Amino acid sequence: GAVVSQHPSWVICKSGTSVKIECRSLDFQATTMFWYRQFPKQSLMLMATSNEGSKATYEQGVEKDKFLINHASLTLSTLTVTSAHPEDSSFYICSADSATAGTSYNEQFFGPGTRLTVL
Amino acid sequence: AQTVTQSQPEMSVQEAETVTLSCTYDTSESNYYLFWYKQPPSRQMILVIRQEAYKQQNATENRFSVNFQKAAKSFSLKISDSQLGDTAMYFCAFMTDTGTASKLTFGTGTRLQVTL
Repeated sequence: GAVVSQHPSWVICKSGTSVKIECRSLDFQATTMFWYRQFPKQSLMLMATSNEGSKATYEQGVEKDKFLINHASLTLSTLTVTSAHPEDSSFYICSADSATAGTSYNEQFFGPGTRLTVL
Repeated sequence: AQTVTQSQPEMSVQEAETVTLSCTYDTSESNYYLFWYKQPPSRQMILVIRQEAYKQQNATENRFSVNFQKAAKSFSLKISDSQLGDTAMYFCAFMTDTGTASKLTFGTGTRLQVTL
């Protein structure tokens, strides 16, 4: 259980184009989804927190107009990188939270990530 | 703001040996959760072990155990009987208990190499 998928797993695009990445919780409903960015050999940096039916909350320094997040249902969140540039090339990871039996917190389950290369 | 520090960028251990990865954190919260995640070359994040701060007993999951020192704000991971499949990046992470969606703060990671 608690499987999260991402699509696509790898995308190459030209500079100036937009790219959409999907994050789905396959066997559970997630009130909240999170989007992370990971540069090579670095840690995960939280970009935004996405709640179903409401606007995403962006971390300081993340351009909300560049990284558009839509969370239209309890099983799907999308991240659109608009007007992508080579510096946006990175590994993007989503996670979805789910209540964990016997605990008072929601555990995050991670997708396999999407590698974005902007030429 | 919470910070998580992993002071060992890289570590190496021989197969079947034991290795300990260090993690310290800083917070003013009284209740929180701590995690160790593994990220193998596939880059899929895998939860290794978790610890609730209100529990004094150290968490254990098979070959993985933690040494949680709340006063010292230390949360180290011990891997016993290391296996080649343990080769990965290991991230220590912190989550506050806000009662709502809680964000994870990750450390910088430790790259563990298990050798023959």
